[in-house]
Amino acid sequence: DAGVIQSPRHEVTEMGQEVTLRCKPISGHDYLFWYRQTMMRGLELLIYFNNNVPIDDSGMPEDRFSAKMPNASFSTLKIQPSEPRDSAVYFCASSLAGTRGNTIYFGEGSWLTVV
Amino acid sequence: AQSVTQLDSQVPVFEEAPVELRCNYSSSVSVYLFWYVQYPNQGLQLLLKYLSGSTLVKGINGFEAEFNKSQTSFHLRKPSVHISDTAEYFCAVGTGANNLFFGTGTRLTVIP
Repeated sequence: DAGVIQSPRHEVTEMGQEVTLRCKPISGHDYLFWYRQTMMRGLELLIYFNNNVPIDDSGMPEDRFSAKMPNASFSTLKIQPSEPRDSAVYFCASSLAGTRGNTIYFGEGSWLTVV
Repeated sequence: AQSVTQLDSQVPVFEEAPVELRCNYSSSVSVYLFWYVQYPNQGLQLLLKYLSGSTLVKGINGFEAEFNKSQTSFHLRKPSVHISDTAEYFCAVGTGANNLFFGTGTRLTVIP
């Protein structure tokens, strides 16, 4: 099994530029999550989808952040314009809905640095 | 609402010594409990989880955790750690089929 695949693994960009992070969930999984990890705030849930539909985006920090899931095998997280405080590791994760306690599987992360 | 508290941000321990990483949770409903491990420069991977049944749960790499409902705890233990166990460990709580709430993590450093 290929696992959750994220790209790019590392991105360095200048302030004000648009950043697009990509994610391919595990085939057959119907939940997709975007998390952000920083030293100061730890692991934060930004948004999650069920069957390609956004369910909870209350963690999205500002209007500069947007996420889409056009189909079951692809999602993007976009930051426009980017700022230095957006520097973090962004994780995509997926899971298969079950009756209880399904495991969330994480990708390797996209390490974003905004200078 | 649910919350998770990991009582220790950093735990140094000598190689081959036992270790316990503490986790307490708060929830008004029944919960499922998880421990994830994050090795340097990698994503999180599942160590073990408690759904129901036996309160002692065994996971990968020799780790185990005990669910204590009266103390609302789910502490992670290993009787003898290795250098390769150096990583960040996250406790998480879930109440249904989707999202998990993660603690702030405990950095375990194994000293040779």
